[in-house]
Amino acid sequence: KAGVTQTPRYLIKTRGQQVTLSCSPISGHRSVSWYQQTPGQGLQFLFEYFSETQRNKGNFPGRFSGRQFSNSRSEMNVSTLELGDSALYLCASGAGGFTDTQYFGPGTRLTVL
Amino acid sequence: AQSVTQLGSHVSVSEGALVLLRCNYSSSVPPYLFWYVQYPNQGLQLLLKYTTGATLVKGINGFEAEFKKSETSFHLTKPSAHMSDAAEYFCAVSGDSSASKIIFGSGTRLSIRP
Repeated sequence: KAGVTQTPRYLIKTRGQQVTLSCSPISGHRSVSWYQQTPGQGLQFLFEYFSETQRNKGNFPGRFSGRQFSNSRSEMNVSTLELGDSALYLCASGAGGFTDTQYFGPGTRLTVL
Repeated sequence: AQSVTQLGSHVSVSEGALVLLRCNYSSSVPPYLFWYVQYPNQGLQLLLKYTTGATLVKGINGFEAEFKKSETSFHLTKPSAHMSDAAEYFCAVSGDSSASKIIFGSGTRLSIRP
């Protein structure tokens, strides 16, 4: 079974631009979660989508948004990029149940200049 | 609200020695607890998880952890360290709303001395 894939793996943008990251979950998984990892703040939950609906949301500004498609693939968008948005963005997929294991992708490394 | 505290941002042990990574949690509801490992430039891999039942949980690569409710702890151990165990380890908790919203600790970097 193929794992979680994230594209692109590396991205360089400048302040004020916007960016879209993509995540393809494991086949059959309906839940996709996004996390931001930085040296200062560690791993922080952004949001989760289940069956095309946002089911959970972390404490991030509205510049961070996402969506999920009918095939469970998910995209995350960050508008008006700031230097502090430089991070590793991780996507995780799961079956969606309360105790189901989440499987993480390799991440997208975003650098904002 | 839930939270996780990992004691020690960096732990160094000799190859063959016991590995002990400490984790304490705070949760107002019965917690689900996890240990993840992250190798350089990679995502997170689940080592083990506790949901209900047996409090001693065995995971991959010879790791295990024990859920101690009275101590609110979920320490990770491995009897004999290998060089390949060098990585960042994250303790995490969920259960407040759904398993998808995982709260991670700050991580412990494990180094193995030859």
